Amino acid sequence: QKEVEQNSGPLSVPEGAIASLNCTYSDRGSQSFFWYRQYSGKSPELIMFIYSNGDKEDGRFTAQLNKASQYVSLLIRDSQPSDSATYLCATRVRTGNQFYFGTGTSLTVIP
Amino acid sequence: DAGVIQSPRHEVTEMGQEVTLRCKPISGHNSLFWYRQTMMRGLELLIYFNNNVPIDDSGMPEDRFSAKMPNASFSTLKIQPSEPRDSAVYFCASSFRETQYFGPGTRLLVL
Repeated sequence: QKEVEQNSGPLSVPEGAIASLNCTYSDRGSQSFFWYRQYSGKSPELIMFIYSNGDKEDGRFTAQLNKASQYVSLLIRDSQPSDSATYLCATRVRTGNQFYFGTGTSLTVIP
Repeated sequence: DAGVIQSPRHEVTEMGQEVTLRCKPISGHNSLFWYRQTMMRGLELLIYFNNNVPIDDSGMPEDRFSAKMPNASFSTLKIQPSEPRDSAVYFCASSFRETQYFGPGTRLLVL
């Protein structure tokens, strides 16, 4: 079983809609959760991180964490064509440990 | 800050040759990670260092791969001898506490 699982997609949403990206993890000891965006041919870029159960909002992005269900999600409101990318979910058990990455979900926002 | 610096950005070599990839982490970051990314396998952790000490190299494919971090501002990943299956994008990333930042990557093609 992989540490972090993501639906590879592709996920397509129309411009202006809400895109919902989901991730599950296997290690209940995971303490930190991250979302990265990777454009084609570029390196992963950190979008958000979350530590506590509940929601964390940053502009059009909202990260949601449910530790009981071992589930992390990323919502992108008012999706734009520039949001089209692969989104990587990552977890970390504690500072100093490695990061575990999912395989990524490909998102396409259709104008 | 200049971010994580990697060189070279592109490398084309012939099977059997030695390849050396270089990384300069962000100043003040105490953890450094080497990843490999391919379409088939996604993002794979090869090795990571904390305070210049290798912590986990279980992701290194085989003895042909070696990594060093002689000081806090420099790391190398060496492949000797290289094989066509080593063709991939190699990312270096550094972190301080929870946030991890990626370099631009080295695109390696072994013919």
